[in-house]
Amino acid sequence: NAGVTQTPKFQVLKTGQSMTLQCAQDMNHNSMYWYRQDPGMGLRLIYYSASEGTTDKGEVPNGYNVSRLNKREFSLRLESAAPSQTSVYFCASMGPNGQPQHFGDGTRLSIL
Amino acid sequence: ILNVEQSPQSLHVQEGDSTNFTCSFPSSNFYALHWYRWETAKSPEALFVMTLNGDEKKKGRISATLNTKEGYSYLYIKGSQPEDSATYLCAQDSNYQLIWGAGTKLIIKP
Repeated sequence: NAGVTQTPKFQVLKTGQSMTLQCAQDMNHNSMYWYRQDPGMGLRLIYYSASEGTTDKGEVPNGYNVSRLNKREFSLRLESAAPSQTSVYFCASMGPNGQPQHFGDGTRLSIL
Repeated sequence: ILNVEQSPQSLHVQEGDSTNFTCSFPSSNFYALHWYRWETAKSPEALFVMTLNGDEKKKGRISATLNTKEGYSYLYIKGSQPEDSATYLCAQDSNYQLIWGAGTKLIIKP
């Protein structure tokens, strides 16, 4: 019962460095999502993928890119990290027809 | 753009008391309404997904109702316990995305 697996759990970067956050789900869900959560704020959608081969911008896409590698995997890339991207990042997946979203454990990312 | 609102923003409740809070959403083009429980330092966990007007769902001491015509849902917690302390999020299902409310932070005082 792995559900949604995110790696890494923690990461510290220097400004300007790049990195990719990995996400994989084993529930055969079509839709996958990347969110960020900042203190005092709720979940904000960065990008989502409604199905394999498609990706769309969410509320806060600037500074990020995504890849839907296959049905299982959806990665989030920071090309040139900035301190404003310090946050907790959650990946989620969702099945069709009114099913709930399932979340990974989150990645705590600090940009110095 | 849809707008999902939750009230109150935070709530302090004495252990043993019952409580409820509200989620408001646009009633047009309704598909589904989700409730999640989010404990500090953890990830959100689904409580309910509700689709039918008048629907009521229950999980232990927690229940929820749905009114799609007027655009609101209530979450009820009966006999609050310290482990109920969390942020409760609602979200409206909209075209492959969930439109999230800002949450109600519930603190149970022993």
